[in-house]
Amino acid sequence: DARVTQTPRHKVTEMGQEVTMRCQPILGHNTVFWYRQTMMQGLELLAYFRNRAPLDDSGMPKDRFSAEMPDATLATLKIQPSEPRDSAVYFCASGTNTEAFFGQGTRLTVV
Amino acid sequence: DQQVKQNSPSLSVQEGRISILNCDYTNSMFDYFLWYKKYPAEGPTFLISISSIKDKNEDGRFTVFLNKSAKHLSLHIVPSQPGDSAVYFCAASDPTFSGGYNKLIFGAGTRLAVHP
Repeated sequence: DARVTQTPRHKVTEMGQEVTMRCQPILGHNTVFWYRQTMMQGLELLAYFRNRAPLDDSGMPKDRFSAEMPDATLATLKIQPSEPRDSAVYFCASGTNTEAFFGQGTRLTVV
Repeated sequence: DQQVKQNSPSLSVQEGRISILNCDYTNSMFDYFLWYKKYPAEGPTFLISISSIKDKNEDGRFTVFLNKSAKHLSLHIVPSQPGDSAVYFCAASDPTFSGGYNKLIFGAGTRLAVHP
């Protein structure tokens, strides 16, 4: 049963600390997305990779967020330094052409 | 500026009745639309989609209608069941994205509650 795996599922951290979220996309998918779910904005696209190359990260605060795909089985989203307003659920999704399959998300709380 | 809008944050429907969830979009270049369903503590899962060349797509109890002139789509669930209670996200695929891959743009979601 192929699925997108995200770790950790929950993270509580203090303001100013570095946070790294990890995602294992579905094998064979060449596209990876990072989304953030907030009450007001719904699912916001933060970053988007195709064949491991970043194509769009315009949704990310550049000064503190970074997204990478060191290999085809791992995507990372890093926040440094974290701030309380970063508290949200972060979803990774991998896809084929027009459909995205989501992981269960990482619930981040920055206190 | 949200390109995909779901103006109803919540909807309550009685079991057995029809649920209608609405979605509006602003970009006439969008060529593919999807509905995702999300339960608490889980990621969104794909539910149903429709191409812009069609005006209706049906899958069991779920039907999506597309009105291109109004830039509006809707998801009909009939009959509604308590297990349908979830957050429903509308998404549009942007083919003009320069990356060569259709970018999915999501609405804010509508929380559906189906009560007995």
